[in-house]
Amino acid sequence: QVQLQESGPGVVKPSETLSLTCTVSGGSVSSFYYYWTWIRQPPGKGLEWIGYIYYSGSTHYSPSLKSRVTISLDTSKNQFSLKLSSVTAADTAVYYCASGLASRPSDWGQGTLVTVSS
Amino acid sequence: QSVLTQPPSVSAAPGQKVTISCSGSRSNIGNNYVSWYQQLPGTAPKLLIFENNKRPSGIPDRFSGSRSGTSATLGITGLQTGDEADYYCGTWDNSLSEVVFGGGTKLTVL
Repeated sequence: QVQLQESGPGVVKPSETLSLTCTVSGGSVSSFYYYWTWIRQPPGKGLEWIGYIYYSGSTHYSPSLKSRVTISLDTSKNQFSLKLSSVTAADTAVYYCASGLASRPSDWGQGTLVTVSS
Repeated sequence: QSVLTQPPSVSAAPGQKVTISCSGSRSNIGNNYVSWYQQLPGTAPKLLIFENNKRPSGIPDRFSGSRSGTSATLGITGLQTGDEADYYCGTWDNSLSEVVFGGGTKLTVL
């Protein structure tokens, strides 16, 4: 079972870029068939899928966020990252990193709350 | 508004059985495996059921899943107060080309 831990700023100003990192232990981000996924949950609301990066480096993003999202791998640090540009208050959420198959993330980080506020 | 439709809440007494429905369409549930997640208060979601009806190791057989057509159902028997949580269904949507989730169902064990 893979362990994941999110890290990054808890507050981001409107119009700036949100940047989060997920550190993986108990497994390698270069492992075959693993999809490294980001999912978010606005306060008091449901889950929203952001996108994933495959172990090979190929990516797939939610069409509604695609123009603002970048997910990348850092194999030297066994991490993967999320960048979300031009944030607004609507991007305030708990952000989770997860791993597993594309449509079935099975291991999740504990989540990190990011608030968009000036 | 979520692509998959779940009832906002369900409730039942300890020891009883409850079912949670998840309704979709041919582009999602109708042609893809369904997963279910349990989110206890203040914690991250946890995979409960995958591929419609399979349980990861460590998940008790009190939890079960099924799929019929464009709907899926999560069943929980022998309810315990520790089962109080939000439950989400999820699957891939071929038309939207993304993972979609239900809006979540809050289970109360009375």
